[in-house]
Amino acid sequence: GQSLEQPSEVTAVEGAIVQINCTYQTSGFYGLSWYQQHDGGAPTFLSYNGLDGLEETGRFSSFLSRSDSYGYLLLQELQMKDSASYFCADRDPGRRALTFGSGTRLQVQP
Amino acid sequence: SQTIHQWPATLVQPVGSPLSLECTVEGTSNPNLYWYRQAAGRGLQLLFYSVGIGQISSEVPQNLSASRPQDRQFILSSKKLLLSDSGFYLCAWSEDTDPTDTQYFGPGTRLTVL
Repeated sequence: GQSLEQPSEVTAVEGAIVQINCTYQTSGFYGLSWYQQHDGGAPTFLSYNGLDGLEETGRFSSFLSRSDSYGYLLLQELQMKDSASYFCADRDPGRRALTFGSGTRLQVQP
Repeated sequence: SQTIHQWPATLVQPVGSPLSLECTVEGTSNPNLYWYRQAAGRGLQLLFYSVGIGQISSEVPQNLSASRPQDRQFILSSKKLLLSDSGFYLCAWSEDTDPTDTQYFGPGTRLTVL
């Protein structure tokens, strides 16, 4: 089966850098995705790592280490609008579906 | 460009009543379609997914069912709602040819069962 673990909550101040970790245990692994969800809204795709290393998209970066079964989402120059829940997800082998972690709620304080 | 529609946006239903939530996708062909449920402050629970018309995979045994009568239409139904069916229901789609299965979510339906 698939299992992804994330911290439940992270707090940081505006302008700072924050890292949200995700560790996974899967019977097969394709890659790690990250989604952002604001309160009351729908999740939106942020990034995907299929290979080890860092992927950068503006203020957001995502990292994957297959050997450590570990990834993280890095948010730089935090803004108040970054307050949201962040989910990591892994594609399940043998079916066209993702398994999502339980989510990390990020609170950005002034 | 592709768009995904869900309706209604909110719904309040009594226990024991039927349910029908509809999702449609525009601008793509043969998408993979998904229904998720999210309890307040919780993660995403995959309920059903479909890789084609009439092909439904059920993830969680419960009193819900799904159907895909057309290529870009996905319907979530129940004959008798339970209190535990309350939650935020999200429809999503992914490109059939995308190996990463990146998913694009609709705006969701907030269901309250009283």
